[in-house]
Amino acid sequence: SQQGEEDPQALSIQEGENATMNCSYKTSINNLQWYRQNSGRGLVHLILIRSNEREKHSGRLRVTLDTSKKSSSLLITASRAADTASYFCATAAYNAGNNRKLIWGLGTSLAVNP
Amino acid sequence: DADVTQTPRNRITKTGKRIMLECSQTKGHDRMYWYRQDPGLGLRLIYYSFDVKDINKGEISDGYSVSRQAQAKFSLSLESAIPNQTALYFCATSDWPGYSNTGELFFGEGSRLTVL
Repeated sequence: SQQGEEDPQALSIQEGENATMNCSYKTSINNLQWYRQNSGRGLVHLILIRSNEREKHSGRLRVTLDTSKKSSSLLITASRAADTASYFCATAAYNAGNNRKLIWGLGTSLAVNP
Repeated sequence: DADVTQTPRNRITKTGKRIMLECSQTKGHDRMYWYRQDPGLGLRLIYYSFDVKDINKGEISDGYSVSRQAQAKFSLSLESAIPNQTALYFCATSDWPGYSNTGELFFGEGSRLTVL
């Protein structure tokens, strides 16, 4: 399976509820990033969390990182219809050539119903 | 105006045709990237450039070439398009320091290419 796997693949909630998405990875990382993509649009960077950080906040977004479990979670509080999008995690990991690169997950598709 | 602009936004072409996708940025970043996005496969890196004199292959460079005409311009070419190059293509920029590709990326709106 792939580095940076998001879970669940799809999530449907009502406006005002919280949405939690998870990302698991396999190898040691330098940082982990979350991006949002509205349908047919470009990706937008949300948060970068470094390997020595455990939690970061940005507005209604909260990201946690557990390096012992090789996992991260993205929490969106008080969701809005405008949060409907796909969310991707990208891990900054070493590749076979011992160079760091970003490895992307396949995303969680979030639908927030009015 | 968008910081990272891609043209064309949509293109339909035929097998064997040469296609160029263009990207320009006003962010002043040295690093530029081309990715393709396919359902079920995620984002894959095609080429990247750390400055105008530096071009590097990504994971899936076969069948593609690039040109870094200036700090602000990075174009992707398909010399002879084939149907499995049908995808959504993204240009991105970064100002991440150091010799790595692990920083925050700023994406364009994408170029949807269909090869018949």
